[in-house]
Amino acid sequence: DAGITQSPRHKVTETGTPVTLRCHQTENHRYMYWYRQDPGHGLRLIHYSYGVKDTDKGEVSDGYSVSRSKTEDFLLTLESATSSQTSVYFCATTTGGDGYTFGSGTRLTVV
Amino acid sequence: SQELEQSPQSLIVQEGKNLTINCTSSKTLYGLYWYKQKYGEGLIFLMMLQKGGEEKSHEKITAKLDEKKQQSSLHITASQPSHAGIYLCGADTLPTNAGKSTFGDGTTLTVKP
Repeated sequence: DAGITQSPRHKVTETGTPVTLRCHQTENHRYMYWYRQDPGHGLRLIHYSYGVKDTDKGEVSDGYSVSRSKTEDFLLTLESATSSQTSVYFCATTTGGDGYTFGSGTRLTVV
Repeated sequence: SQELEQSPQSLIVQEGKNLTINCTSSKTLYGLYWYKQKYGEGLIFLMMLQKGGEEKSHEKITAKLDEKKQQSSLHITASQPSHAGIYLCGADTLPTNAGKSTFGDGTTLTVKP
């Protein structure tokens, strides 16, 4: 969807390094989310935001932090990447109650 | 997700055949969503169901919500290769969820020409 873009699309990083993934939306949506998708686990919520500087933890937040300084940008940071954080990361937005719009995903490999 | 169970996990059908995918929640449903994902891509929103007995259609895909059973079914009529992909259900299991959906593990659909 052209309204939400994730960067980078692919990244390989070493264990112990910090990594930041970016989500950018042009729809002025209030709610933004970070999910990770893993085989056998489906999509799991990492963190979400309900406004600028308003964020909260999801189901699997350990090892991750987020920031939202502008409505359009939601950053996900892995403080010190571990192999268990190898995954596909999806950003999503919603207007609230009518389904998500997802980005195309970031495939992260931690070696 | 253990909150949402999808069945079957995978499905292979011949082109032209009908098929059904189920999504069952262990909690009360306040909203049920169906998405489709192609390999390596993001999820595409298909439809949302909120009321018991509600039924919606999008082209040859129909979804129903059985509130009492806390279950939704997705039915594809006369399947085509373009229907192939991963179908995921998502659900809001709290009345005010801040939009935080729980997702099933997905059903992988293969359509043989």
